Amino acid sequence: KNQVEQSPQSLIILEGKNCTLQCNYTVSPFSNLRWYKQDTGRGPVSLTIMTFSENTKSNGRYTATLDADTKQSSLHITASQLSDSASYICVVSAFSDSNTGKLIFGQGTTLQVKP
Amino acid sequence: NAGVTQTPKFQVLKTGQSMTLQCAQDMNHNSMYWYRQDPGMGLRLIYYSASEGTTDKGEVPNGYNVSRLNKREFSLRLESAAPSQTSVYFCASSEWRHATLRSGNTIYFGEGSWLTVV
Repeated sequence: KNQVEQSPQSLIILEGKNCTLQCNYTVSPFSNLRWYKQDTGRGPVSLTIMTFSENTKSNGRYTATLDADTKQSSLHITASQLSDSASYICVVSAFSDSNTGKLIFGQGTTLQVKP
Repeated sequence: NAGVTQTPKFQVLKTGQSMTLQCAQDMNHNSMYWYRQDPGMGLRLIYYSASEGTTDKGEVPNGYNVSRLNKREFSLRLESAAPSQTSVYFCASSEWRHATLRSGNTIYFGEGSWLTVV
């Protein structure tokens, strides 16, 4: 069964600190992996998209890595800001589902950045 | 840029009532989707429309119907609301091209509709 597991479930860090969120997946055959940021009460917003051939992608202070062999991804946030407080969702697409746009969503990691 | 717009933002229904969630996108996307998000669970696909004139069931379609009115609009209807349908509903859209989606086409989400069925 295609699954996406994220850890930790929640995280509290101090402003200015770095943090890393994890995503493990059992989706096969793999097509691409996305990280989304979802602010409280808002819709998810895309941060990064990585295909099989990409092992790292950055978007400002956000850096995502992908290890397709171990089926793991991480999202590293550098020099956190209060505005980083949100839920971060890992989403994986399988080739067979890519034609129809179906994605497998993780449960998300809730990040709280404190001053 | 409006992007994906969905209405209403909040709605309370009584069990058995019907209602329609409206969604429109202004990005000329071919594909549109309806998801629901429940606490402790990832977003789950209810229905999708790969292109104008087509609709297909997703992971959790029971109790819902959809209409792809035109390329811009994709509505979700609850014919007889049940408490289990209390959730946050998200409409989304993406440019539909086989190769583009495989390479990582961005999916854009609306702001969500909070539905409570009592």
